Amino acid sequence: QVQLQESGPGLVKPSQTLSLTCTVSGGSISSDPYYWSWIRQHPGKGLEWIGYIYYSGNTFYNPSLQSRISISLDTSKNQFSLKLKSVTAADTAVYYCARDFQEGAAAGTFDSWGQGTLVTVSS
Amino acid sequence: DIQMTQSPSSLSASVGDRVTITCRASQTISNSLNWYQQKPGQAPKLLIYDTSSLYSGVPSRFSGSGSGTDFTLTIDSLQPEDFAIYFCQQSYNTPRITFGQGTRLEIK
Repeated sequence: QVQLQESGPGLVKPSQTLSLTCTVSGGSISSDPYYWSWIRQHPGKGLEWIGYIYYSGNTFYNPSLQSRISISLDTSKNQFSLKLKSVTAADTAVYYCARDFQEGAAAGTFDSWGQGTLVTVSS
Repeated sequence: DIQMTQSPSSLSASVGDRVTITCRASQTISNSLNWYQQKPGQAPKLLIYDTSSLYSGVPSRFSGSGSGTDFTLTIDSLQPEDFAIYFCQQSYNTPRITFGQGTRLEIK
């Protein structure tokens, strides 16, 4: 069974770049045809899909964040990463990585999640 | 983007009760509606996908129905472990995926 684990700084200063990594175990991000997503949850609020990357490297981003984000694969480490630039306090959230449950399709249905990591934007 | 509105925002119930949570989409989404359960400090867990398909390992007391813009999640005979927050999510307009704001199910 695939497992995901987020890692990265818990505190980022305003205007800087937030960088997170998701390490995948029990599956290969370079050969298993799945879409890998980042999703965030503002404190006490609902969920916001950030974007995803396919095992081929193709990416799709939330239009509301598109100008500030990039998602990439590191196949040598079986990881995928999120970079969100020019952060503000509004980017404070728990960030989750997740996998789409349908092989080979962007079904937009997430059956495997990391535990989440809280990122606070503050000086 | 498609807006997802859940009601109620919070709900109190007792063990053994039957509860229903509603989710309404701002436009038709066919049957592309998923439900998740989230407990404090945990990631959401997929319960139901495509409106009514029960995800592997999810107890049969959970069920979903609806189509178009109106959907429901029903939990029969509430168990202590069911008290959590429930989110709906549309997967119709992929990749513009959107979630409801959540319904908090509390013990009465």
